[in-house]
Amino acid sequence: AQSVAQPEDQVNVAEGNPLTVKCTYSVSGNPYLFWYVQYPNRGLQFLLKYITGDNLVKGSYGFEAEFNKSQTSFHLKKPSALVSDSALYFCAVRVGISSGSARQLTFGSGTQLTVLP
Amino acid sequence: NAGVMQNPRHLVRRRGQEARLRCSPMKGHSHVYWYRQLPEEGLKFMVYLQKENIIDESGMPKERFSAEFPKEGPSILRIQQVVRGDSAAYFCASTLGGPSTGELFFGEGSRLTVL
Repeated sequence: AQSVAQPEDQVNVAEGNPLTVKCTYSVSGNPYLFWYVQYPNRGLQFLLKYITGDNLVKGSYGFEAEFNKSQTSFHLKKPSALVSDSALYFCAVRVGISSGSARQLTFGSGTQLTVLP
Repeated sequence: NAGVMQNPRHLVRRRGQEARLRCSPMKGHSHVYWYRQLPEEGLKFMVYLQKENIIDESGMPKERFSAEFPKEGPSILRIQQVVRGDSAAYFCASTLGGPSTGELFFGEGSRLTVL
């Protein structure tokens, strides 16, 4: 079984400050990890993914995420937050194909990020 | 290149009616996934289909829900005899190939309201 936990329902940061949105995962095998963002009444937009290689992954809109195998975490970060970053953020995991049979992405419950001007 | 297209964007049904939600994947994509998002919750996997085949329906309710992805035309998620608990946003996503390292491309969603 695979699962994702986003421990914070809500994160508030001031514009210009760094932001972190937390994600931990559980899989029985090598994880493929993803971050998506959802704006109100819209679909999910892909931000970045970790498959293999460098633990620090850079994605869209200046976001990055760090894969930490020992802590089973994949926290999303941005050095300087913008008001326009305010949205709902989802972490997702899929087990690697060679490691298991789960075909679908399993999503966390989401974290609402609010960047205050 | 058009993205994943879902229609209708909003659908209102009375209890007991049928709801049909359509999804056209991105051009060239032959793998479709349906997810449901309940208010204040994350996305829950429902079903994964390839053309003319259901690959994984482990997230589908056992009754009233069905999905298809015919050789021609969009994928359809069908909910029979809707109940108020079916009110949710239903998202379709597509990929070029099967389970892989690629991300899912999502549509804008179909928001079902059951009165």
